[in-house]
Amino acid sequence: GDSVTQMEGPVTLSEEAFLTINCTYTATGYPSLFWYVQYPGEGLQLLLKATKADDKGSNKGFEATYRKETTSFHLEKGSVQVSDSAVYFCALRGGLQNNDMRFGAGTRLTVKP
Amino acid sequence: GAGVSQSPSNKVTEKGKDVELRCDPISGHTALYWYRQSLGQGLEFLIYFQGNSAPDKSGLPSDRFSAERTGGSVSTLTIQRTQQEDSAVYLCASSLVTGGPGAAQYFGPGTRLLVL
Repeated sequence: GDSVTQMEGPVTLSEEAFLTINCTYTATGYPSLFWYVQYPGEGLQLLLKATKADDKGSNKGFEATYRKETTSFHLEKGSVQVSDSAVYFCALRGGLQNNDMRFGAGTRLTVKP
Repeated sequence: GAGVSQSPSNKVTEKGKDVELRCDPISGHTALYWYRQSLGQGLEFLIYFQGNSAPDKSGLPSDRFSAERTGGSVSTLTIQRTQQEDSAVYLCASSLVTGGPGAAQYFGPGTRLLVL
């Protein structure tokens, strides 16, 4: 079935460091890909999405490009801030299982000043 | 309402008791989803509704779990004879369109369930 694998955390970075959180997926069909973020004490929020190959989703300085050839959707940010500390979830929707979202296990990011 | 709401926000119960968790989706959202997030774990899909019907119940972990949705709006997740391993945060999400792969889901704040 459809699934998402993302890099294990936790990830600890200093402020202004470059961030990459890897995400790869397995799906039959043409899924849409998402990154969700969960800030401490809050619910999940959509961060960005891409609905077809080579699309780039971006928001709040974060970017991810839908790479069909490598089945990846890695999250990147050029300069992280303390306020980016959160848990990040990669997810897919579509493929043959068109009506639910499959989430990765989440990656906890801590940014230190 | 402005967002997805869930109640109660926290629930402590004794092993063997039944619990009901409620979700109010965003008005007009036809699809509703339940997930479970255990401590330190990712999200586990439980069930989704299209309108009042549940085409996919494959994620329900046992027959102690059931869910219903009435009027295409509010949904209730019921756990019978709760066990300690049921302790988790139960998340509800809704989206405007099902079958549309680009439709994002909007999550509620969750219900934190603790089974003693």
